[in-house]
Amino acid sequence: EDQVTQSPEALRLQEGESSSLNCSYTVSGLRGLFWYRQDPGKGPEFLFTLYSAGEEKEKERLKATLTKKESFLHITAPKPEDSATYLCAVSRTTDSWGKLQFGAGTQVVVTP
Amino acid sequence: GAVVSQHPSWVICKSGTSVKIECRSLDFQATTMFWYRQFPKQSLMLMATSNEGSKATYEQGVEKDKFLINHASLTLSTLTVTSAHPEDSSFYICSARDDRGGEAFFGQGTRLTVV
Repeated sequence: EDQVTQSPEALRLQEGESSSLNCSYTVSGLRGLFWYRQDPGKGPEFLFTLYSAGEEKEKERLKATLTKKESFLHITAPKPEDSATYLCAVSRTTDSWGKLQFGAGTQVVVTP
Repeated sequence: GAVVSQHPSWVICKSGTSVKIECRSLDFQATTMFWYRQFPKQSLMLMATSNEGSKATYEQGVEKDKFLINHASLTLSTLTVTSAHPEDSSFYICSARDDRGGEAFFGQGTRLTVV
């Protein structure tokens, strides 16, 4: 059975304290791995798509990497506005484009 | 990025009534849209895949007669929760992907409370 597991469940950081979030996946036929950010009471906001092992993408203080078994979201020198729940999701080659299976998320709190 | 608009943002209804939620892609066409449900402190669970001009595909365990999906145009899908009960109270979120390619974008979600 396909699984997407995120760790840790919650992460509390001080402003400027870099850290990494993990997304482990077991998927038959990975089309892509996605990272989203979700603020309370809002829909997920797209961050990155990774398609193949070794791929890396960056956006401001965020950097996502992918291996054959897991993905990491690195947050460098976070600011309070980076506080959110970060969701990892996978798309299978056998599914419709856009159909995603999500992990449980990592709730990140960045304190000043 | 692409814009997906969901309406209403929140709704309170009485038990036994029906509620309709709209999902629109504002600046692109989407043959396929998706409906998710999210309970407090939990992640998004796919309910169904909405296909323009044809029947929706429901995930295992989701009652198709209770959650009616209509995708009448390339920019609009609707989810109707029929005979709502308190256990249907949840956060419902739609997503859509541009037919020309790219990632799926999400609406802002609808908070449904059934009293």
